[in-house]
Amino acid sequence: SQTIHQWPATLVQPVGSPLSLECTVEGTSNPNLYWYRQAAGRGLQLLFYSVGIGQISSEVPQNLSASRPQDRQFILSSKKLLLSDSGFYLCAWSVRRLAGGNEQFFGPGTRLTVL
Amino acid sequence: GQNIDQPTEMTATEGAIVQINCTYQTSGFNGLFWYQQHAGEAPTFLSYNVLDGLEEKGRFSSFLSRSKGYSYLLLKELQMKDSASYLCAVRASDRGSTLGRLYFGRGTQLTVWP
Repeated sequence: SQTIHQWPATLVQPVGSPLSLECTVEGTSNPNLYWYRQAAGRGLQLLFYSVGIGQISSEVPQNLSASRPQDRQFILSSKKLLLSDSGFYLCAWSVRRLAGGNEQFFGPGTRLTVL
Repeated sequence: GQNIDQPTEMTATEGAIVQINCTYQTSGFNGLFWYQQHAGEAPTFLSYNVLDGLEEKGRFSSFLSRSKGYSYLLLKELQMKDSASYLCAVRASDRGSTLGRLYFGRGTQLTVWP
């Protein structure tokens, strides 16, 4: 069966500090990978998605970046955190299909607080 | 752009039936998903509709009308554990991409009272 891991589970960082969140998927190959942010009282906002190693698409211009160094590893980074970066960060994966339902499966999330 | 609307909050009592509506305006529609999210946890997949009609899965059913841009999630025999946020998400293909990314509504917070 497939599983998705994220770490750390919670993180408290000062403004201006760097960030690195990691996501790994097991039990599947060539997944589509996604990074979302969920701020308090707001919906899920897609930040980045990837259809393969080294292929990253950004949905929202901001001070975050993403990388996919391996097929089942997705990393979210920042060089300098802002207060507005606080939120619940969710990694998700889906089977790569050309058509049909490709429901996304979410990891447990990382709760980031920037002070 | 994509626009997805659902009520912010709903309440119901244990054992009752509740219907959570979702309306959407989107281009390149290719399916609608419902997710359940308990407080502090990740969303979990509930249902998927791509054709008009009703999909039933135990106590949960989901309906889709593509011509009306409308879906609902029906929860029967409510239990306390059903208290959660329910997210409506539309899959749409942008710019000829085959990815079909999901666009999420803000979620409907359902509270089930004893």
